Amino acid sequence: QKEVEQDPGPLSVPEGAIVSLNCTYSNSAFQYFMWYRQYSRKGPELLMYTYSSGNKEDGRFTAQVDKSSKYISLFIRDSQPSDSATYLCAMSKHSGGYNKLIFGAGTRLAVHP
Amino acid sequence: DADVTQTPRNRITKTGKRIMLECSQTKGHDRMYWYRQDPGLGLRLIYYSFDVKDINKGEISDGYSVSRQAQAKFSLSLESAIPNQTALYFCATSELERDEQFFGPGTRLTVL
Repeated sequence: QKEVEQDPGPLSVPEGAIVSLNCTYSNSAFQYFMWYRQYSRKGPELLMYTYSSGNKEDGRFTAQVDKSSKYISLFIRDSQPSDSATYLCAMSKHSGGYNKLIFGAGTRLAVHP
Repeated sequence: DADVTQTPRNRITKTGKRIMLECSQTKGHDRMYWYRQDPGLGLRLIYYSFDVKDINKGEISDGYSVSRQAQAKFSLSLESAIPNQTALYFCATSELERDEQFFGPGTRLTVL
C-alpha cells in the first residue's frame, strides 16, 4: 500500500467551476502538507503549504487538512484555463535527519473555456 | 525555475550506455535531491545530499550513482542504462530546515 494515495484523473472542468483535488495518507507521522503544481514540461512548484488541521486560503486556492481522517484537499475557485496542470500532493515526515517528502502520483486537471 | 538548471533536457540512449545528468543551482541551497517521475507513481527519491561530503541513498538508488562536485552542482549517473530507467528526472534543492523544495525543469531520458 502506498503511503500517499491520489486519484490520477484526468479531471476536466469548464472555466469558472470549483475544483476539488484530494489525497489520502496512511502514516500518522506526516507533519507538513503541501500542494505542488506542475505544468507540462516543467518542474513542480510549490503552491500551498500547511502543517495543521483546518483550512488555509491563498487567493482562489484553499488547502484543507483533516489529520483525524488522514485526508487533504485542494480547492480551486473560479477555475481558469491557466490552472490546467498536474497537481501533486506532498507530505513530509522526519526521516534520516531531515523532513523527507513523499509525493502523491498527481492529478491532471484540464480547465476548458 | 531558472535558478535550478538541468542538462540535457532530453536524451535518448541505448541499453548498456553510461549516462550523466547534471544539475546546477544558483539559490545557494545546501541540500540537493534527484527524483525520477513515472506515470502513476509520482516522484520517487533516488539520492539526496546535504552538503558536498554528505550523500545519501533514497528509496530507489539501485542502478544509479551521484557526485556532488560543489555546493551548486549535483550529478546523477546511470552506469549501464536499462529500458526501465526511461523516465523524467528532476533535480531539486532546499534550504536547511525548510521543507519546500525547488525543482529544475527536468530531463526526459529514454533508454532503448
